[in-house]
Amino acid sequence: DVKVTQSSRYLVKRTGEKVFLECVQDMDHENMFWYRQDPGLGLRLIYFSYDVKMKEKGDIPEGYSVSREKKERFSLILESASTNQTSMYLCASSLYGASSGNTIYFGEGSWLTVV
Amino acid sequence: GQQVMQIPQYQHVQEGEDFTTYCNSSTTLSNIQWYKQRPGGHPVFLIQLVKSGEVKKQKRLTFQFGEAKKNSSLHITATQTTDVGTYFCAGPGVVTGGGNKLTFGTGTQLKVEL
Repeated sequence: DVKVTQSSRYLVKRTGEKVFLECVQDMDHENMFWYRQDPGLGLRLIYFSYDVKMKEKGDIPEGYSVSREKKERFSLILESASTNQTSMYLCASSLYGASSGNTIYFGEGSWLTVV
Repeated sequence: GQQVMQIPQYQHVQEGEDFTTYCNSSTTLSNIQWYKQRPGGHPVFLIQLVKSGEVKKQKRLTFQFGEAKKNSSLHITATQTTDVGTYFCAGPGVVTGGGNKLTFGTGTQLKVEL
């Protein structure tokens, strides 16, 4: 079974703090994704990566950055957390791209509260 | 940019009633996937449709891909409490750089009452 592990399930951070959300997948997948989920807005893509050191902006990249130094690890960084970044963050991975019809496997999610 | 909308946003049904959620994309899709997220859980893949007009069934769930490959539906016959959750459709998104992304719909939250 594919396993996508997110390092923190629940976090509470202060406004202005730098926040790191870590994600690791164990299936040698090429693609990794970070989504945020908010009520009524569905899953919105923040950033994705299709190879080591490669990244692409998703639909809502503002206020975020990412790092993919190793194939299995994809980190989401909030440089200066703000209250409007309070959300659930979902990491995901897939073997190939979406146009190839590849299934995406999600981690358990990280609930971030910025106070 | 590409948008994938789902209706309804919420649906409450009595156990045993049928349920349908509809997914509409602003662009033609090469394929469409459906995911289910249980309360407190993460989205889990259900099925993928690729061909125009394709219909697939999984027990009480029927999935359909539109002829124009811009819309899809999920129909649940005789809902059960185990069907509770949020159902998302997703399709390949438009990217200007490399790689592929999956654009998710807004989701339909289903509640089933006894």
